[in-house]
Amino acid sequence: AQSVTQLDSQVPVFEEAPVELRCNYSSSVSVYLFWYVQYPNQGLQLLLKYLSGSTLVESINGFEAEFNKSQTSFHLRKPSVHISDTAEYFCAVSPYNFNKFYFGSGTKLNVKP
Amino acid sequence: NAGVTQTPKFQVLKTGQSMTLQCAQDMNHEYMSWYRQDPGMGLRLIHYSVGAGITDQGEVPNGYNVSRSTTEDFPLRLLSAAPSQTSVYFCASTVDFSTDTQYFGPGTRLTVL
Repeated sequence: AQSVTQLDSQVPVFEEAPVELRCNYSSSVSVYLFWYVQYPNQGLQLLLKYLSGSTLVESINGFEAEFNKSQTSFHLRKPSVHISDTAEYFCAVSPYNFNKFYFGSGTKLNVKP
Repeated sequence: NAGVTQTPKFQVLKTGQSMTLQCAQDMNHEYMSWYRQDPGMGLRLIHYSVGAGITDQGEVPNGYNVSRSTTEDFPLRLLSAAPSQTSVYFCASTVDFSTDTQYFGPGTRLTVL
């Protein structure tokens, strides 16, 4: 069985401050890992993903996430956030060779001026 | 190129009524899926399809039916709506369910009274 845990339901942060959104997963098989972002009143968009290779993956808008197999984590970080980063962020896993996809409960990032 | 479209955007039903949520994509993706989004629970997979004529159940399939007669369309049917089905519904499509980007529609907000 697979599960995804996002411990922080809300993260308030001031503009230009660093932020980390935590994601832990459990799985009986190897998984692919994803972060999706949902801006208000929109559908989800892929932010970044880890399939293989370097454990550090980056997005085009400055976010990065590191796959840590021993801690079964895939935390999302940004060194300096902007007001426009205000959104809900979802961690997700897809088990190898299964047509399944599991999302975490989401973390609402609220960037204040 | 419209991507993934969903209709209607909003719907209010009475308990016991039936309706169909429409989803269409113009990217020639084989994989399509339906999710429901509830506060504090993230997105949960209802049903998915790996190609025309092939569908399978996700995490929360009870109370929902799907069919896939064409590559483009993947409607979701509620045969007898219940208040527990009040939610926001998202349709998504992708080239590969496990590893590729899922493209989400704008969502349908359904209220069952």
